[in-house]
Amino acid sequence: EPEVTQTPSHQVTQMGQEVILRCVPISNHLYFYWYRQILGQKVEFLVSFYNNEISEKSEIFDDQFSVERPDGSNFTLKIRSTKLEDSAMYFCASSRDKTNYGYTFGSGTRLTVV
Amino acid sequence: DQQVKQNSPSLSVQEGRISILNCDYTNSMFDYFLWYKKYPAEGPTFLISISSIKDKNEDGRFTVFLNKSAKHLSLHIVPSQPGDSAVYFCAAMYFGNEKLTFGTGTRLTIIP
Repeated sequence: EPEVTQTPSHQVTQMGQEVILRCVPISNHLYFYWYRQILGQKVEFLVSFYNNEISEKSEIFDDQFSVERPDGSNFTLKIRSTKLEDSAMYFCASSRDKTNYGYTFGSGTRLTVV
Repeated sequence: DQQVKQNSPSLSVQEGRISILNCDYTNSMFDYFLWYKKYPAEGPTFLISISSIKDKNEDGRFTVFLNKSAKHLSLHIVPSQPGDSAVYFCAAMYFGNEKLTFGTGTRLTIIP
């Protein structure tokens, strides 16, 4: 069964450093998303991406965050200057179209900012 | 922001019995609801969904019920199996808005 692949599974970074989280969505999917889950809290929407541009973003997704689809397969989330409160599980997801509401999520990247 | 709430953080059910997980929402614009299952160290896995034009959707052992007037939905698992032990998230969205709004999850434990 096709899956969304995220790397790395765990990343530890110093506060203030830039971090890039990587995702390979399912190949025929056109809509891409990032969500995060801070420990003990709910899964929260960050951003959606379609046709090489952001289609929607949450208030969490401020100027420190950016997304990119640098080639035909990867989808990345960059945090420019990490803060302690950015520590969370970050999930990438993709879907074939807007009506296919059952996204496929990746296994997540656990980001720890120290 | 408590637009989607799962008031039971945990639930234990005997194997073979029915598991009922509940979810409440406050935003009347939501018109599509989903249940996800999550194992540790994995991402959420889509289980079943329901549109607001229906009040029931069934898929094998899983049935979701929607009560729009009460802004309440529930997931029934019958019969419950040990492999069903996981965290279950209710999520909601509305047409024209791409994001999923998740509840806080219910940890289901199936007792053999």
